[in-house]
Amino acid sequence: EAQVTQNPRYLITVTGKKLTVTCSQNMNHEYMSWYRQDPGLGLRQIYYSMNVEVTDKGDVPEGYKVSRKEKRNFPLILESPSPNQTSLYFCASSNNRVGYGYTFGSGTRLTVV
Amino acid sequence: DAKTTQPPSMDCAEGRAANLPCNHSTISGNEYVYWYRQIHSQGPQYIIHGLKNNETNEMASLIITEDRKSSTLILPHATLRDTAVYYCIVRGGSQGNLIFGKGTKLSVKP
Repeated sequence: EAQVTQNPRYLITVTGKKLTVTCSQNMNHEYMSWYRQDPGLGLRQIYYSMNVEVTDKGDVPEGYKVSRKEKRNFPLILESPSPNQTSLYFCASSNNRVGYGYTFGSGTRLTVV
Repeated sequence: DAKTTQPPSMDCAEGRAANLPCNHSTISGNEYVYWYRQIHSQGPQYIIHGLKNNETNEMASLIITEDRKSSTLILPHATLRDTAVYYCIVRGGSQGNLIFGKGTKLSVKP
């Protein structure tokens, strides 16, 4: 089944403790991106990647890092999480970057205390 | 980037057609209209997209006005499982950034 898999689904962590949210897709997609969703603010893009070793900032990149060493994986790294990064995170992939047919993961609900 | 305007909420009776409008009066000539939906807190799901002509797939139909300033997503026979927030998006950003607005919360009622 074609899918984007995120792990973990739920995570509660403490301020300052580094964490990684993994994202993997099995569709050989070149384009991948991370979004966060907050009440009243909607979905906002954090980082995106056009291909292996090609990444760039989205609208809200502060406090996050990403890497794209393999085509299928696009992990989101929070080096020193803070409470304002408490959010619902989604990873997405696509075979194009123009906007159609994006496949989203099921989400990771992160709470930073 | 072109912006979209959608009603915040709509109701639809189960089995009836759901018609969700979207205004995008500042759309550029080469910008597509995309529709996604999000059921509760699941990941958004792609529905359909179009440029000028009307489009239909297994999920929905998309009607775009001739001047391209507005469009309507049609779910021909809405079911309870179609209850979701529907986002109308006009492609924004050269990096493929889907800019999600607040969308329309569609409630399908028995």
